[in-house]
Amino acid sequence: QSALTQPASVSGSPGQSLTISCTGTSNDVGGYDYVSWYQQHPGKVPKLMIFDVSNRPSGVPDRFSGSKSGNTASLTISGLQAEDEADYYCNSYTNTYGWVFGGGTKLTVL
Amino acid sequence: QVQLVQSGAEVKKPGASVKVSCKASGYTFTGYYVHWVRQAPGQGLEWMGRIDPKNGGTVYAQKFRGRVTVTGDTSITTVYMELTNLRSDDTAVYYCARDSRVAADVWGQGTTVTVSS
Repeated sequence: QSALTQPASVSGSPGQSLTISCTGTSNDVGGYDYVSWYQQHPGKVPKLMIFDVSNRPSGVPDRFSGSKSGNTASLTISGLQAEDEADYYCNSYTNTYGWVFGGGTKLTVL
Repeated sequence: QVQLVQSGAEVKKPGASVKVSCKASGYTFTGYYVHWVRQAPGQGLEWMGRIDPKNGGTVYAQKFRGRVTVTGDTSITTVYMELTNLRSDDTAVYYCARDSRVAADVWGQGTTVTVSS
């Protein structure tokens, strides 16, 4: 199972909105509504931000939203804040009953 | 509260094996899969495998099949991940994570495994 494809880096100014893409295949992203997104600050444990493509766990700000179209999932962060600067990883269930992560995207707040 | 507590850091020589434990508390142990994910220095997250603690059923990433074994002990609500024939590129932080709604909602603190001669 190959890793899902994410842009290596994205950047934006405070208050702006930006979107991180995550491209897979019909064997993973496109085949199931089990895409999740994780935020990881340097030296910290990953934190779940989105599950089931577009659902937010309790405590995650509604500035974070998720969507999917075909084989590509997206994480959108609106009203960008300095604390959003982190690495973001997408994840999908696969047709071999396992999981696969994306390569990760480094988000920089300018 | 729900938590996963992992065993401490390990230093191993190439060719050796390592077994990392993950102690679950605060929830029904047999009600959730537990996954293992690793992260090499400066690299991304990599899924290794998972176990259903209820029946011991496992699924492994193809890359690790034959080298990784995940087991569980319901009597002490602990999951183990054993990786054999270690190489230098197995140096990483290894995480266990609880699966809720096909997502990792609770993570262990991570265990650093260093493989060096």
